[in-house]
Amino acid sequence: DAGITQSPRYKITETGRQVTLMCHQTWSHSYMFWYRQDLGHGLRLIYYSAAADITDKGEVPDGYVVSRSKTENFPLTLESATRSQTSVYFCASRPRQVNTGELFFGEGSRLTVL
Amino acid sequence: AQSVTQPDIHITVSEGASLELRCNYSYGATPYLFWYVQSPGQGLQLLLKYFSGDTLVQGIKGFEAEFKRSQSSFNLRKPSVHWSDAAEYFCAVMDSSYKLIFGSGTRLLVRP
Repeated sequence: DAGITQSPRYKITETGRQVTLMCHQTWSHSYMFWYRQDLGHGLRLIYYSAAADITDKGEVPDGYVVSRSKTENFPLTLESATRSQTSVYFCASRPRQVNTGELFFGEGSRLTVL
Repeated sequence: AQSVTQPDIHITVSEGASLELRCNYSYGATPYLFWYVQSPGQGLQLLLKYFSGDTLVQGIKGFEAEFKRSQSSFNLRKPSVHWSDAAEYFCAVMDSSYKLIFGSGTRLLVRP
């Protein structure tokens, strides 16, 4: 079924470990985004990508790395996880046309860093 | 910088009662505004959006929102709330780089 899928849905890791959250979309949308959701903060943008091989920082990029070698994939890596990175992470995508505006969200990846 | 404020963290209404969720934005030009809903354990779903034109916009699930430039507001309304409307609601504005800036959300609880 077409859509945007995130994996894993749930992950528990330890401080200092590397973690990669995967995001895959089947719409060939140009734009992809990673947000984190924390109580009291809503959704904050970590990184986004306008196309393959083009990425840019959002509001809270520190401690995260992204890549986009293929249009459909946008993995998010925590190179050395910290407790403050415990959060729910959402991937989203949208077409290039601005006038649609709508973001299509995955179901989220809940990460716990012990 | 663009920003969105949702002043109510929680709102509780009785089933069948009317609902208004507040949203205020900060943006220099004509804003592109959005309301999203998040059910427990789910991603966000678009309820409605305002780009231009009629300031009263209709969305899915019986929701509507009114853009008021003079008040920098984009409040979400529903005349009669159903128990299935219990969720978290996010207002968002599109910034000058066409990214969405979200408010902190309002959690809606529905009393039977």
